Amino acid sequence: DTAVSQTPKYLVTQMGNDKSIKCEQNLGHDTMYWYKQDSKKFLKIMFSYNNKELIINETVPNRFSPKSPDKAHLNLHINSLELGDSAVYFCASTSGGTRGIQYFGAGTRLSVL
Amino acid sequence: SQQGEEDPQALSIQEGENATMNCSYKTSINNLQWYRQNSGRGLVHLILIRSNEREKHSGRLRVTLDTSKKSSSLLITASRAADTASYFCATDAGGGADGLTFGKGTHLIIQP
Repeated sequence: DTAVSQTPKYLVTQMGNDKSIKCEQNLGHDTMYWYKQDSKKFLKIMFSYNNKELIINETVPNRFSPKSPDKAHLNLHINSLELGDSAVYFCASTSGGTRGIQYFGAGTRLSVL
Repeated sequence: SQQGEEDPQALSIQEGENATMNCSYKTSINNLQWYRQNSGRGLVHLILIRSNEREKHSGRLRVTLDTSKKSSSLLITASRAADTASYFCATDAGGGADGLTFGKGTHLIIQP
């Protein structure tokens, strides 16, 4: 069974659309994350979510909003998509707090046309 | 400012040789971790070294940490074609709230 799974794997959409990426972990972890990896492979944290506490990277536009229906899920909703949003988005989870080993999903490659 | 700058950015060696990658960081840390990313896949944790440790081994991997120089190195011995991947170091930001900060990675190519 996949520990951290995210869907879809590929997402192609037009500018201005709203889209969501789903993430689920079956590891019983209490902290989940969203990262963005750009075309140069630079990985930047967007959000961390722990026991209903959301910590947002202040550089993330408010068009991005994480939603966590329960501890095992952290979905990413993006409004009014822009060309610059094209990237690979990774979900991750950890049981060791924000300094622990992180387990990553396989990524969602988002292409905004 | 960016934590975790790896060098070199790319490294190509022959199978069987050793590969060494370096990482520098800027702020105080609790631990430093190394991750591997195969093409088109997510990151996989390799090894974690705490700030009070100087060296750690795991199979063919050896990690060193020099907190006075704010640097770490990852050595992969007896490289294999399957080691071809990008390698990232990651540090905690110290305050705990921001999770891990990753560098840009070293792309390692093992020539058969």
